Amino acid sequence: DAKTTQPPSMDCAEGRAANLPCNHSTISGNEYVYWYRQIHSQGPQYIIHGLKNNETNEMASLIITEDRKSSTLILPHATLRDTAVYYCIVRVENRDDKIIFGKGTRLHILP
Amino acid sequence: KAGVTQTPRYLIKTRGQQVTLSCSPISGHRSVSWYQQTPGQGLQFLFEYFSETQRNKGNFPGRFSGRQFSNSRSEMNVSTLELGDSALYLCASSALGAEQYFGPGTRLTVT
Repeated sequence: DAKTTQPPSMDCAEGRAANLPCNHSTISGNEYVYWYRQIHSQGPQYIIHGLKNNETNEMASLIITEDRKSSTLILPHATLRDTAVYYCIVRVENRDDKIIFGKGTRLHILP
Repeated sequence: KAGVTQTPRYLIKTRGQQVTLSCSPISGHRSVSWYQQTPGQGLQFLFEYFSETQRNKGNFPGRFSGRQFSNSRSEMNVSTLELGDSALYLCASSALGAEQYFGPGTRLTVT
């Protein structure tokens, strides 16, 4: 079973920041938080990952709480092209490549 | 750098037949994983190969099998197809343990 809990859907106005929450209360000390997204009928796309520090790249920012039991993915200026299902995953880095996907959050960007 | 490629992109088969799907990973990636995606079950892990060896296997019947070649290309085979095998089959590659890059998928329809 997936070790993360996400809301099934969210709406965000175009141009605003989209904040997608994820709970991972049973995360282990060596598990990273990964985010992927899947645009309709395409393969999932890697977005960002982190261990305990906040991370930022050209796509998004990842905020992980100090106790690491939850995190938030932030898309700073959402566009219609960000409409997708967003998956939050925890896994041990540099071990194997088995990913257990949950149901994710379906993000709707409203024009 | 070219992305993950999967062939064919679409396939229609009849119950009882068998099918082989192909995946070419990103150059330099030695780990290849396969996933099945259906509306009811979501994204489910099938198996993972690294250096021609199966490292992980999901909870699928023995009709689902795979292999990896010395050039890291991978194939998966499904024998005795059932209607429930209709799905999007996704392949992902990575430098082991790092973020995975997914292909566009093969959409299999079993009639």
